[in-house]
Amino acid sequence: EAQVTQNPRYLITVTGKKLTVTCSQNMNHEYMSWYRQDPGLGLRQIYYSMNVEVTDKGDVPEGYKVSRKEKRNFPLILESPSPNQTSLYFCASAAGQARGGTIYFGEGSWLTVV
Amino acid sequence: AQTVTQSQPEMSVQEAETVTLSCTYDTSENNYYLFWYKQPPSRQMILVIRQEAYKQQNATENRFSVNFQKAAKSFSLKISDSQLGDTAMYFCAFMKQRNSGGSNYKLTFGKGTLLTVNP
Repeated sequence: EAQVTQNPRYLITVTGKKLTVTCSQNMNHEYMSWYRQDPGLGLRQIYYSMNVEVTDKGDVPEGYKVSRKEKRNFPLILESPSPNQTSLYFCASAAGQARGGTIYFGEGSWLTVV
Repeated sequence: AQTVTQSQPEMSVQEAETVTLSCTYDTSENNYYLFWYKQPPSRQMILVIRQEAYKQQNATENRFSVNFQKAAKSFSLKISDSQLGDTAMYFCAFMKQRNSGGSNYKLTFGKGTLLTVNP
């Protein structure tokens, strides 16, 4: 079954304690991305990756890091989380647009920073 | 930059009736995709329907269909025979086609319409 898997799904952490949200896809997709969803703001792109070792900033990258060492994995790193990073996070992946450009989303990770 | 506007924050419909959700967008691109995503209370993002801008024919998926008006930059979603399971937040989204240059598969989302289907 085609899947984008995120972990953890739910996390409460304290300000300043580094954390990583993992994302893995089993569809051999080149493209992966992270979004955050906040009330009244819809989803906004944090970072994206067009392929292994190719990453770039989205609209709201401050306070986040990413890496793409393997095609299937795209972890989101919060080096020093702050309360304003409390949000619902989605990982997404897509094949090349020759195959339709459809974006597939993970189930989301609820992050609370206290 | 692209913008997507959903002018209806909330809507409600009776079970078995038809409802239309509105979406307008602003872009200078000619080649792009438009999507409707459904987000039920579980918060999972589920693709409902997709439209390629170069296609004049409106996309249809079972009870879901769109009215795509490229010149007017309008992309509405019609849900026929509404079911209780259709209760969800619905997001309209825009994505530039990759050969438009600079496309990074970024989805630009509207702020959503909360649809409630009443029994």
